Amino acid sequence: AQSVTQPDIHITVSEGASLELRCNYSYGATPYLFWYVQSPGQGLQLLLKYFSGDTLVQGIKGFEAEFKRSQSSFNLRKPSVHWSDAAEYFCAVGERSSASKIIFGSGTRLSIRP
Amino acid sequence: EADIYQTPRYLVIGTGKKITLECSQTMGHDKMYWYQQDPGMELHLIHYSYGVNSTEKGDLSSESTVSRIRTEHFPLTLESARPSHTSQYLCASSGSKSTGELFFGEGSRLTVL
Repeated sequence: AQSVTQPDIHITVSEGASLELRCNYSYGATPYLFWYVQSPGQGLQLLLKYFSGDTLVQGIKGFEAEFKRSQSSFNLRKPSVHWSDAAEYFCAVGERSSASKIIFGSGTRLSIRP
Repeated sequence: EADIYQTPRYLVIGTGKKITLECSQTMGHDKMYWYQQDPGMELHLIHYSYGVNSTEKGDLSSESTVSRIRTEHFPLTLESARPSHTSQYLCASSGSKSTGELFFGEGSRLTVL
């Protein structure tokens, strides 16, 4: 069965510092991969997605993620965080065969230190 | 811009009451989903639908029920609410030709006293 692991429950970084949020997945083949962000009291918004091709994908708000097949990872990065980036971040995988069911990781809460 | 709406945003209700959480989307998406989000943030799929008159249970067992009579509408009902149903419920949709990208509503936070 497919699964998604986000090993970091809570991360705090200083404003202006770089960020990397980890995501590992377990799946028989290469799935579709997503990163979503959730601000307090809101729904989820798609940051970026990987389907095929270039393994480094660019998203909104200056985020990027790199798919590494050998490590079954899809880590999210940002070179310089802003206070407005404080939120919950979810990694997710989808089935290529049906693309109908998306499985989410447990999320990483990002706090920004002034 | 995604257009998916959930009402009510917040609901506080007593045990035993019947509640319906509404979800509507204006994008013509075939697929719609309900996720339950625990206080610790994790999302669990409780119901999904691939089109009109199609509904399936998700990975997390839920006492709620859903219906899909119209493409744009996917309401969730609890016949008799209990404190264990207290949670946030997120509705989402995706197009039939998409590669799985979900569009989410803002959520309905339910508190059962």
